[in-house]
Amino acid sequence: ETGVTQTPRHLVMGMTNKKSLKCEQHLGHNAMYWYKQSAKKPLELMFVYNFKEQTENNSVPSRFSPECPNSSHLFLHLHTLQPEDSALYLCASSQDWVGRRNTEAFFGQGTRLTVV
Amino acid sequence: AQTVTQSQPEMSVQEAETVTLSCTYDTSENNYYLFWYKQPPSRQMILVIRQEAYKQQNATENRFSVNFQKAAKSFSLKISDSQLGDTAMYFCAFMPDRNYGGSQGNLIFGKGTKLSVKP
Repeated sequence: ETGVTQTPRHLVMGMTNKKSLKCEQHLGHNAMYWYKQSAKKPLELMFVYNFKEQTENNSVPSRFSPECPNSSHLFLHLHTLQPEDSALYLCASSQDWVGRRNTEAFFGQGTRLTVV
Repeated sequence: AQTVTQSQPEMSVQEAETVTLSCTYDTSENNYYLFWYKQPPSRQMILVIRQEAYKQQNATENRFSVNFQKAAKSFSLKISDSQLGDTAMYFCAFMPDRNYGGSQGNLIFGKGTKLSVKP
């Protein structure tokens, strides 16, 4: 247990559904991230939030919408997904980069998403 | 563009033996960090070891050590006295060291090596 909790662990949704993934950390970190892990592909960074402000959007389609209401919570809202969006979605957090040598990211256990 | 290559999709090792996982990377950056992460069947990505590029000394963490060759852009992981619990996917990752406003958090991962430790 690294202190980063993701819910749900598994999610099956239809292409017309709207669902949300949740990530929570109580490590006092100020940066949070969403990664996508697809089979046989490297992990892909999707979004980065620093102090609740989005600082990275790695050309992610608009059907993925992140939300960071505070430094402890991060959501990924899903809408009109495609079957190719099926993947493991990992959340991570790290200390803010003001202490820039502190670069360790702590990951959650991920949400296994299946789009049918 | 930065890339990370792990040329061994799968490896196996006998319990108590030593195994080395390969990783090479491509970058024009001079300052950066390198990591090995472990992802067991529980799916949680766990940091195994990290290396700062400005440090010449190879990082070690108990049974885990790295061979960091900056000129060759190579960063291999050696696991000594392998244990059954070491069975997992191992990912090599790279992160550039940036100033404020840079791409903080952009860990660039390789595709992973699936390691099986056999009894």
